Order: sequence, then C-alpha cells, then structure tokens
Amino acid sequence: AQSVTQLGSHVSVSEGALVLLRCNYSSSVPPYLFWYVQYPNQGLQLLLKYTTGATLVKGINGFEAEFKKSETSFHLTKPSAHMSDAAEYFCAVKKAGNTPLVFGKGTRLSVIA
Amino acid sequence: GAVVSQHPSRVICKSGTSVKIECRSLDFQATTMFWYRQFPKQSLMLMATSNEGSKATYEQGVEKDKFLINHASLTLSTLTVTSAHPEDSSFYICSAHRAGTSYNEQFFGPGTRLTVL
Repeated sequence: AQSVTQLGSHVSVSEGALVLLRCNYSSSVPPYLFWYVQYPNQGLQLLLKYTTGATLVKGINGFEAEFKKSETSFHLTKPSAHMSDAAEYFCAVKKAGNTPLVFGKGTRLSVIA
Repeated sequence: GAVVSQHPSRVICKSGTSVKIECRSLDFQATTMFWYRQFPKQSLMLMATSNEGSKATYEQGVEKDKFLINHASLTLSTLTVTSAHPEDSSFYICSAHRAGTSYNEQFFGPGTRLTVL
C-alpha cells in the first residue's frame, strides 16, 4: 500500500525566507508524486508533479521539489516566501493506471510579515 | 483543457433529507472518477471509486447505502448523500481521470460544501 508522511502539520516562516515542506512516501512500485495547494474554502490546485525524467521539478508560483528515491522523499521548496503563499499544502502519491491519489495529512504554511 | 466542475458548490439542508452532488468532466471523457471527503482542517480521504457503467467501489468504513454513487456517462458522476445528518457535513471533492498518460492524470473539481442542520 502507498502512503505519504508530511512532517510538520504547521510551518511558519518569515516573508522572504526559505520555505521547506517535507514529504516522505512509501510505495512498492515507482511512484508518481504531486504537491497541491489549498486556500481556505477552496479546492485543490496542482503545484507540481513528478512522473518520470528529471528529478528536480519546477512548478507554479516559484515552487520546486526534488524526487530522491534513496531517501523516499519529495520535499517542496521555495527560495523566498510571499504572504500569498500562506495556505494548506498536500503531498500525494499514486501508482500508474486508474488508481486514486493518496494524500498526506497536509502542512499549513503561515507567512509572517 | 481538463476542467472538472461540481454542482452545487455549497448546500445547506435539514437533517434527514438527501442531497445530490454532480461531478462533470467538461472537456474530456473520464471512465473513472473518485470521490473524496475532507473534514475541517484535515486531509482528503478517499470515499469511493466511480467507474462508468459499473458499480462504485467503496473504501472501508464508507457506507455504500448512505453515499450512493452513479457514473452513468463518461462525463458525469453523482454522489447522493441519503438521509443526511450533521455528521455528514463536510467538503466533498471529486476528481476525474484523464486517460492517455502512464499516470492517468487526475483533475479535481472545486468541491461542494455540505452543511446539514
């Protein structure tokens, strides 16, 4: 079975500081990995995804993530936090085919002025 | 492309009534759709997998008689919460699989906020 662990339910950073949201996965097969962002009372927005190829993936809004198979990790980073980045972030994993995404518990990012 | 809509976006109903939520893939066909539920400040939990033309597959602990799923066409799946009670109040999100890639990308609807009084 696949699973996702997001370390830290709440991360707080200062505006302009580095954002690092941690995600580790467990999968018996090569995984497809995703990061989503959810603003209050809204649906999910895809930030980025890793499917195949380059292990460093760039997404929207300046976010990027690196797939590290040896560490079973897919941490999300952004060099400089902006106030508008404050939201809930979910890491998710899936297998190939018509299989559902399995989500981590989420990390709430707060950005302090 | 790859837009998924949900209707209604928000619904308030009295306890004991039934509520139907529609999930539509607007510009692609989806043989598989998924229904998730999200309680406040929690993650998305998969409720069921909806396959066009066949019965839905429910996750453990989800009552199939309470959450009726119908996937009658390649662009529409419906979730009916029967005899809703306050504990069913939640954010319900659907997603639709677009075939054609090895990972069968999943696209999410904007969600439906259900409040049962």
